[in-house]
Amino acid sequence: ETGVTQTPRHLVMGMTNKKSLKCEQHLGHNAMYWYKQSAKKPLELMFVYNFKEQTENNSVPSRFSPECPNSSHLFLHLHTLQPEDSALYLCASSQEETSGRHEQFFGPGTRLTVL
Amino acid sequence: GEDVEQSLFLSVREGDSSVINCTYTDSSSTYLYWYKQEPGAGLQLLTYIFSNMDMKQDQRLTVLLNKKDKHLSLRIADTQTGDSAIYFCAETPYSSASKIIFGSGTRLSIRP
Repeated sequence: ETGVTQTPRHLVMGMTNKKSLKCEQHLGHNAMYWYKQSAKKPLELMFVYNFKEQTENNSVPSRFSPECPNSSHLFLHLHTLQPEDSALYLCASSQEETSGRHEQFFGPGTRLTVL
Repeated sequence: GEDVEQSLFLSVREGDSSVINCTYTDSSSTYLYWYKQEPGAGLQLLTYIFSNMDMKQDQRLTVLLNKKDKHLSLRIADTQTGDSAIYFCAETPYSSASKIIFGSGTRLSIRP
């Protein structure tokens, strides 16, 4: 089983639609992340969850709503998006080591297009 | 604040060495990383260096860290077509061990 999986891989939605992105990690990690990757800002951290608790929200608009039901699953619920939200949405997970070294394992991403 | 900067593009000839450079602002960074992103994929950790080291070698990869100048570089020896990708420099800031700050990425293209 691949470490971090994301579904769907591609999503096209209208501005009035509601959809969800799903991420699952099979690595036993305790932290999960959502990133947005676009041409304008290559890699933007959106949300961080540690042990299912949200520890960071990087001033993300409320039309993006994360959910972390357990340490293996992370969702990003989308509603009333704008065309500028079109991007690659990457999920990652990590397990902080006592040494402080911090490797994040990324999923392949969901390519989102908002029409 | 925490900021990581890289040049956006690098083009090298197949078989030559590639050197990708990065500067960062947080002098208390604990670990610095190089991630690779191939087309259509997520990021993958290539190598990392602890802040008290100045060099790390791993097969074709050499990482050099100049803490005084806050400069990190990645050298890829004998660059191959499979090395075409975007390379991200990143750091773990001392202030937030659960976060990684990424640079904007350098797109490496290989010409024959």
